[in-house]
Amino acid sequence: QSALTQPASVSGSPGQSITISCTGISSDVGVHNYVSWYQQHPGKAPKLMIYDVSNRPSGVSNRFSGSKSGNAASLTISGLQPEDEADYYCTSYTSNSPWVFGGGTKVTV
Amino acid sequence: QVQLAQSGAEVKKPGDSVKVSCKASGYTFTNYAIHWVRQAPGQRLEWMGWINVGNGNTKSSQRFQAKVTITRDTSATTAYLELNSLTSEDTAIYYCARESEWFAAFDIWGQGTMVSVSS
Repeated sequence: QSALTQPASVSGSPGQSITISCTGISSDVGVHNYVSWYQQHPGKAPKLMIYDVSNRPSGVSNRFSGSKSGNAASLTISGLQPEDEADYYCTSYTSNSPWVFGGGTKVTV
Repeated sequence: QVQLAQSGAEVKKPGDSVKVSCKASGYTFTNYAIHWVRQAPGQRLEWMGWINVGNGNTKSSQRFQAKVTITRDTSATTAYLELNSLTSEDTAIYYCARESEWFAAFDIWGQGTMVSVSS
């Protein structure tokens, strides 16, 4: 199972909005609504930010939002803040693997 | 407090095996699956496999099927990841993660265990 495709890096200025894409195939992102997003700061364990495409766990800022269209999911960070600088990974349940992560996106603020 | 506490860093030689532990606390251990995720230095996260803690059933990624054994001890509320026939390519941080009540999302993560393989 190949990794989901994410841009290697995305940057933005404080206060701006950025969107990270996560492209899969019909047997993963395209068919399941089990896409989640994780934030990872250097030297730290990942943190769940979005589950089931667009839901936020308790405690996660509402500046983070998720969506999906066809085989592609997206994570949008609005009102970008310095502490948002981190790596972001998408993951999807798949019909085969059964879980696959994206390649990761480095967000620079 | 819900948490997963992993065992400490390991340094191994090629051909060795290693067993990483993941001790759960603060919740009913048997109610949630545990997954294992690998991150080689500077690389992406890779899903390795999971265990249904309730019944002990496991499934591993095809990529790691021959490499890993996932087990659990319910009395010790601990899950284990064993890696065999280690090579330098197994040098990585290994994370355990709890699958949340929302299927297919990992809401609690261990701190990670660094396994270094070098002759």
